[in-house]
Amino acid sequence: NAGVTQTPKFQVLKTGQSMTLQCAQDMNHEYMSWYRQDPGMGLRLIHYSVGAGITDQGEVPNGYNVSRSTTEDFPLRLLSAAPSQTSVYFCASSYSSGTYQETQYFGPGTRLLVL
Amino acid sequence: EDKVVQSPLSLVVHEGDTVTLNCSYEVTNFRSLLWYKQEKKAPTFLFMLTSSGIEKKSGRLSSILDKKELFSILNITATQTGDSAVYLCAVHAGGTSYGKLTFGQGTILTVHP
Repeated sequence: NAGVTQTPKFQVLKTGQSMTLQCAQDMNHEYMSWYRQDPGMGLRLIHYSVGAGITDQGEVPNGYNVSRSTTEDFPLRLLSAAPSQTSVYFCASSYSSGTYQETQYFGPGTRLLVL
Repeated sequence: EDKVVQSPLSLVVHEGDTVTLNCSYEVTNFRSLLWYKQEKKAPTFLFMLTSSGIEKKSGRLSSILDKKELFSILNITATQTGDSAVYLCAVHAGGTSYGKLTFGQGTILTVHP
């Protein structure tokens, strides 16, 4: 199993450009999430999905879109990049054992710089 | 709004010291509390706590949850330089939103030789 994979590892964008961060998992997990990590702020949830076709907003959703057409893939789209979106982005997946959500598995991260 | 607060934000110790990291939370419909270790890459899972008073241990690391006082601690005994990392606390809460975790700011631990 590759686990959770993310591409690209690093990206530089100009303000106003759009791009898609890719995330895929091969563990058949039902739950997938996108986080951003900024210095001193831990991880903040952007969007999450509890299954194919179902997505919802997290703590900081503005400027980002997601879709979940398959169980495996959960791309994050930046519509019009802004310098405030410079961050490290992590994708994570997990499953529920019924009562509890099992631990989240994180991808290696994408470092994004917006000039 | 769910809230998770960690303290201290940073800590510098010498090898062999024992450290205690704190995590307090205010959430609706608590389900579990998780600890992660992050070393310049993706967070890696340490513990998941769901019941009060039951200590989880893994080598020199241990953690316990107090659901009455709404906090958890992570202890590391006989610290080593390899323990230097950011330690993240996260709380899983809510009704049907199983994919949703709220993270604290993290504690940066630096262990000097």
